[in-house]
Order: sequence, then structure tokens, then C-alpha cells
Amino acid sequence: SQTIHQWPATLVQPVGSPLSLECTVEGTSNPNLYWYRQAAGRGLQLLFYSVGIGQISSEVPQNLSASRPQDRQFILSSKKLLLSDSGFYLCAWSVRGNGGELFFGEGSRLTVL
Amino acid sequence: DQQVKQNSPSLSVQEGRISILNCDYTNSMFDYFLWYKKYPAEGPTFLISISSIKDKNEDGRFTVFLNKSAKHLSLHIVPSQPGDSAVYFCAASGDFGNEKLTFGTGTRLTIIP
Repeated sequence: SQTIHQWPATLVQPVGSPLSLECTVEGTSNPNLYWYRQAAGRGLQLLFYSVGIGQISSEVPQNLSASRPQDRQFILSSKKLLLSDSGFYLCAWSVRGNGGELFFGEGSRLTVL
Repeated sequence: DQQVKQNSPSLSVQEGRISILNCDYTNSMFDYFLWYKKYPAEGPTFLISISSIKDKNEDGRFTVFLNKSAKHLSLHIVPSQPGDSAVYFCAASGDFGNEKLTFGTGTRLTIIP
């Protein structure tokens, strides 16, 4: 069966510090991978979308970047965090052609102080 | 520009009664719709979906209704159970197989025992 893991689960970082959130998927090949963010009082905002290794689409301009060094690994990064980067970050995967059903990881709570 | 809207941030329903969660969308290109359920500090999980060729889809206690002319969909849960207490997100995509979902802001459902 397929599983998705992301870590760390909780992170408290000072403004200006770097960020690295990692996500891995097991039990499937060539998944579509996504990073979403849920900010307080807002819906789930798509940040990045990847259909393959090294292929990243950015949905919104921001202080973050994403990379996909391996087929089932997706990394969310920042060189210098801002207060506005605080939120709940969710990694997700889908099977291409599966009609949009996403499978989400457990989420990472980032607090920037 | 919020293309998928859930205008009720919260809803309380007595156990055993029907819960009705509403969602409106503005993009007429959306033709596939999904509902996700999310517990605190966890990733959302897929609940039920409907394509634009249908106006109703049922799965156990959950039924989704789609009114294309009104650009409106709703999720009915009957009978409501305490375990249904969660945040429910409506999501939409532009074509079947396009997994870039646009999410609403969510509705927090509380089932009162």
C-alpha cells in the first residue's frame, strides 16, 4: 500500500533562518507531488506542483522554493523565513489521471517567531 | 480571488440529524469536485467526489449534490455522528485528471451528542 511521510511534524524557527521540510512517498512510482499551505483562517493554498524529477511548478510568488531530487521525494525550502511563512504545510501525492484525488501527509506545523 | 467558497466557517448539528455543508464556485471550467475531511494536526483525507456529468453521488452516509447552473455543491451527512466532527474542505479541478485542486476555506462541523 502507498504511504506518505513528511517531517518534521512541528518546527519553531526565528525570522531569517532557513527551512527544509521533507516529504517521501512509498509504494508508488512517478507520482504527482504537491506542497500545500493552510494559513490561519484560510483554505489550502497550492504552493508547488511536480510531475517528475526536477520538474517544479510554482503556483504563487513567495519566499519558498521546492525541489524534487528523486522520484518520490519532495522538499520545501527557504533561505530566510518570514513571519508570514508560519502555517501548516501539507505534502500530497496523486496518481496521474486519478481525477484529482490527493493523498495527504500528516502535515508540518511551522511557527516563525 | 477565491474561486471556491465555503461561506459558513462553522456549523453545529445534533447527533443523528442531517449535516449540510455548502460550497460555491465561480470558475465555470471546473468540472470535478471533491470533499475532504480534516482532523486537527492531521492531513486531509478524501471523502467523496462528483464529476460534472452527474448531479448526485452517494457513499453510505455521505451524499454530494451538484447544481451546475447555480455553481453550487453540497455535502449531506445523515445521520450525523460525533466522529464526523472535523473541518470539511470543498475542492474543484478544471478537468478530470487534472490534479491541481483549488480548495475552499473549510467549514468546521461540530456534532453535538
